[in-house]
Amino acid sequence: AQSVTQLGSHVSVSEGALVLLRCNYSSSVPPYLFWYVQYPNQGLQLLLKYTTGATLVKGINGFEAEFKKSETSFHLTKPSAHMSDAAEYFCAVSYPGTALIFGKGTTLSVSS
Amino acid sequence: EPEVTQTPSHQVTQMGQEVILRCVPISNHLYFYWYRQILGQKVEFLVSFYNNEISEKSEIFDDQFSVERPDGSNFTLKIRSTKLEDSAMYFCASSERDSKNTIYFGEGSWLTVV
Repeated sequence: AQSVTQLGSHVSVSEGALVLLRCNYSSSVPPYLFWYVQYPNQGLQLLLKYTTGATLVKGINGFEAEFKKSETSFHLTKPSAHMSDAAEYFCAVSYPGTALIFGKGTTLSVSS
Repeated sequence: EPEVTQTPSHQVTQMGQEVILRCVPISNHLYFYWYRQILGQKVEFLVSFYNNEISEKSEIFDDQFSVERPDGSNFTLKIRSTKLEDSAMYFCASSERDSKNTIYFGEGSWLTVV
């Protein structure tokens, strides 16, 4: 069965610093890959997704992620963190005809 | 922008009672989903629904749970004989097509079983 691993349940950065949230999937077949963000007391909002084509995907709020097949990774980055980026981030995978499977999530804290 | 709406936003129920969580998916979407998130844990898949039947379900989705599309707009999750461990945030979601298309989530229904 496919799975997704998010390394680090909690990441803390300073405002203006690089944000790097790690996600690895376990499958011999590349899945569809997603990053969702959950702000406090809110639902899940799609940040970006990779299905096919260009491996560097740009999303909302300045986030981007790169699909690396050789590393089975889909890490999320943002060059400069903002206080408003503080939230829970979920990596998720799916395959044709299957449900979306989430990682355990990474809490991002941003300090001034 | 169209959105998935869920009601109630928060419900407290006594153990053993039945609960119905309601969802209105985005109007042109054909696939519907329920997920849950127990406090402090990851978002877990419960069930997907297409063409008026369950297309996939997880081990969590046992006989205690059922889903229904009673009319052209609503999609409901029924939890019978609730247990303390059913306390969680339940998310409804919908998509135009499965997997490849983006799944849009509602803001969730927080269920507390006491």
